[in-house]
Amino acid sequence: NAGVMQNPRHLVRRRGQEARLRCSPMKGHSHVYWYRQLPEEGLKFMVYLQKENIIDESGMPKERFSAEFPKEGPSILRIQQVVRGDSAAYFCASSPGGRAKSRNEQFFGPGTRLTVL
Amino acid sequence: AQTVTQSQPEMSVQEAETVTLSCTYDTSENNYYLFWYKQPPSRQMILVIRQEAYKQQNATENRFSVNFQKAAKSFSLKISDSQLGDTAMYFCAFMNPRKTDKLIFGTGTRLQVFP
Repeated sequence: NAGVMQNPRHLVRRRGQEARLRCSPMKGHSHVYWYRQLPEEGLKFMVYLQKENIIDESGMPKERFSAEFPKEGPSILRIQQVVRGDSAAYFCASSPGGRAKSRNEQFFGPGTRLTVL
Repeated sequence: AQTVTQSQPEMSVQEAETVTLSCTYDTSENNYYLFWYKQPPSRQMILVIRQEAYKQQNATENRFSVNFQKAAKSFSLKISDSQLGDTAMYFCAFMNPRKTDKLIFGTGTRLQVFP
């Protein structure tokens, strides 16, 4: 049973380019969360999605950032016109949701480290 | 708004000894979840232990146990018989399932286990 998968593991972009980060949740999980970790800091919540729905985007910057979790395929976190301050590790987590006993447990992927030159 | 505070930026312990990491939180909710996550140098986030606020019994997972004091809003992690592989950042996290399932993390404690 594969865990949460994220790709790429490392992404380098120049200022002004777009970054696309992908997350495949664990099998059977329908809830996806994105977190950002700046250097030497804790993780900060960005967005919470279920299939085809954004449930909570209270942590997303108002501009340039968007997220989706389509019916088929991975969840995508998209950052347009990246700036140096976007350099961080971006973690995806998934949970089963529903009535599962462990519905609130979030299992994390290995993260994508974004570097903006 | 809920907040999570970890007041120990760094801790160290000798192998086989016991260490306790502190965490306090602020909430007006009565039902919530608390977690400890470990982040080793690989940066993978690993769930160590979880506690439901409605359970009075402290959670235990092998060498890891918590001291949950609901009235004091304190949730400390005790690591017994420390091992070199326990060297990592440890993050305390809070979840209020009545709102959304997002995790609110503390700033972390860097634990170094010495041989």
